[in-house]
Amino acid sequence: QQQVKQSPQSLIVQKGGISIINCAYENTAFDYFPWYQQFPGKGPALLIAIRPDVSEKKEGRFTISFNKSAKQFSLHIMDSQPGDSATYFCAALADRGSTLGRLYFGRGTQLTVWP
Amino acid sequence: DGGITQSPKYLFRKEGQNVTLSCEQNLNHDAMYWYRQDPGQGLRLIYYSQIVNDFQKGDIAEGYSVSREKKESFPLTVTSAQKNPTAFYLCASSIEGSGGPRRNEQFFGPGTRLTVL
Repeated sequence: QQQVKQSPQSLIVQKGGISIINCAYENTAFDYFPWYQQFPGKGPALLIAIRPDVSEKKEGRFTISFNKSAKQFSLHIMDSQPGDSATYFCAALADRGSTLGRLYFGRGTQLTVWP
Repeated sequence: DGGITQSPKYLFRKEGQNVTLSCEQNLNHDAMYWYRQDPGQGLRLIYYSQIVNDFQKGDIAEGYSVSREKKESFPLTVTSAQKNPTAFYLCASSIEGSGGPRRNEQFFGPGTRLTVL
């Protein structure tokens, strides 16, 4: 059973546009929500992460929006660039309990930014 | 340079053979993880270890084995019992037990692509 559901599966955006990727979860014990970026043939790299004590976190062109009541979070990439073309994964983790340290990943979104 | 290394980058295996994938980290991280990645499946957890000499099964542990004899090393053996081992294997580590605001950040190695011939 997929603990974190991610959409869309693929996304095509024009250069300069906004890319938006959405994730949803059910487990209310989750309290750490990272986003990873992966280029073909490489390992994923941590892009940005949020904890539920804030509703938004911004780092450069990347913003996470978090809606605790809806159990949803999303990644916004402003002014998307061709170099942003990659696969993006959302994930969630419960920072306590028997599953301490386990990240649950969404299935990924393949982003293509056209020049 | 601090980081996670995985070797080899590419590995070819004949059916019926066991192979071992190497994962080493010099980040002094407590926890280490093995994931399998297949197209369209995201990352699925095979095994993880939060401390030396201890490890837990993830969601798809059947046909795999691990050991954690040293803090910096977490090798994965793909046994002949694994029916469909062709995949991209990723190792990761995190501070975890040491606490702090960055305790949950997982850092990934470059991966090993395993192909069964």
